[in-house]
Amino acid sequence: AQTVTQSQPEMSVQEAETVTLSCTYDTSESDYYLFWYKQPPSRQMILVIRQEAYKQQNATENRFSVNFQKAAKSFSLKISDSQLGDAAMYFCAYRFSYSGAGSYQLTFGKGTKLSVIP
Amino acid sequence: GAVVSQHPSRVICKSGTSVKIECRSLDFQATTMFWYRQFPKKSLMLMATSNEGSKATYEQGVEKDKFLINHASLTLSTLTVTSAHPEDSSFYICSATRGRGEKLFFGSGTQLSVL
Repeated sequence: AQTVTQSQPEMSVQEAETVTLSCTYDTSESDYYLFWYKQPPSRQMILVIRQEAYKQQNATENRFSVNFQKAAKSFSLKISDSQLGDAAMYFCAYRFSYSGAGSYQLTFGKGTKLSVIP
Repeated sequence: GAVVSQHPSRVICKSGTSVKIECRSLDFQATTMFWYRQFPKKSLMLMATSNEGSKATYEQGVEKDKFLINHASLTLSTLTVTSAHPEDSSFYICSATRGRGEKLFFGSGTQLSVL
């Protein structure tokens, strides 16, 4: 079974600084997707960034970027120029690339609570 | 962008009653819908996967008779918590995939409180 581990229950960062959230995963598959989701106090799940395992290039979305190390099964999220609105729970998630209909479920890590200090 | 509407956002009920939560894909046909449960300050745990017109697939440990899932159309899935008890109090979130499932869209969640 696939597992996703986030070893940092809580993190804090000064506004405008950079922070990195860690995620490791375990899988025997070679093709899969990895995600970072943000859950603010509203509890709406928001996709932050997505990485396809077959792509060597790290995904970036504005201030958000990942460091994807496939051999090490590591997928960290870097937030640059942190803003107050970045404060939220961040979940790392894994999904098979494709396993037939009904098999697109995500496996989530336990989450990291990020606080942004003004 | 694709939108998934979940209703109600909050419900309080008495122990022993049943509660229905709706999940609708507003601008796309959802081939598959998922139901998650989230306890306070915890991660999302998959409860079941449903495909339109077929029976839901439940995760191990999830009671099928307690959590009834109906995926009657390509835009609507419902979760009914039957004979609710205080331990069923939780945050329930639905999500839906479009097409081959490259993207997953989440509803805004339902906070269930059973008194």
